[in-house]
Amino acid sequence: QVQLVQSGAEVKKPGASLKVSCKASGYTFTSYGINWVRQAPGQGLEWMGWITAYNGNTDYAQKFQGRVTMTTDTSTSTTYMELRSLRSDDTAVYYCANRPSASYGLEVWGQGTTVTVSS
Amino acid sequence: EIVLTQSPGTLSLSPGERATLSCRASQSVSNHYLAWYQQKPGQAPRLLIYHASSRATGIPDRFSGSGSGTDFTLTISRLEPEDFAVFYCQQYGGSPPWTFGQGTKVEIK
Repeated sequence: QVQLVQSGAEVKKPGASLKVSCKASGYTFTSYGINWVRQAPGQGLEWMGWITAYNGNTDYAQKFQGRVTMTTDTSTSTTYMELRSLRSDDTAVYYCANRPSASYGLEVWGQGTTVTVSS
Repeated sequence: EIVLTQSPGTLSLSPGERATLSCRASQSVSNHYLAWYQQKPGQAPRLLIYHASSRATGIPDRFSGSGSGTDFTLTISRLEPEDFAVFYCQQYGGSPPWTFGQGTKVEIK
């Protein structure tokens, strides 16, 4: 079945960088786009950006422009989300999710990666 | 950027009752590209509805979506115990960002 498996929990200090991975299986990796969404403790969902797996084109939410980079490795069907200059308000659960087509929503989600930013 | 406003913030209902959730957009959502998700504590969101009214794979028919333009609705015809959760709408029409609403919590009365 279609599955997205994310890397494990991280604890980071303010100013550090974070790189979360999302490994896809059960479908042709280059057919779907991968979105990244985060959720701060007790808060709602926040869309961060997305990457098209077949050509690596990206779109980022303006809030994260200059601080985030999304990449893919088609040889391992893995997508990466790097966030730099971490602050305490980056503490959140980070999710990847695939989107099968333009008309579809975010169909399959990873299990989430808990990131804590604390000095 | 399109802002989505969900109402009410919390809905207190009993099993078997009908739930009606609203999602209003600050501008028209292109192509009716509006999705609804359900999230339970400690879990990732689950896609319920896409393209405003299409049910995702495996979603029971008690869940239905409607609307167009700036006003969208998620209806749960008869609440089951497992339906109590937080529900989010998301628009993904046109150019990014593809924003989420702030969520509606459906709780047991």
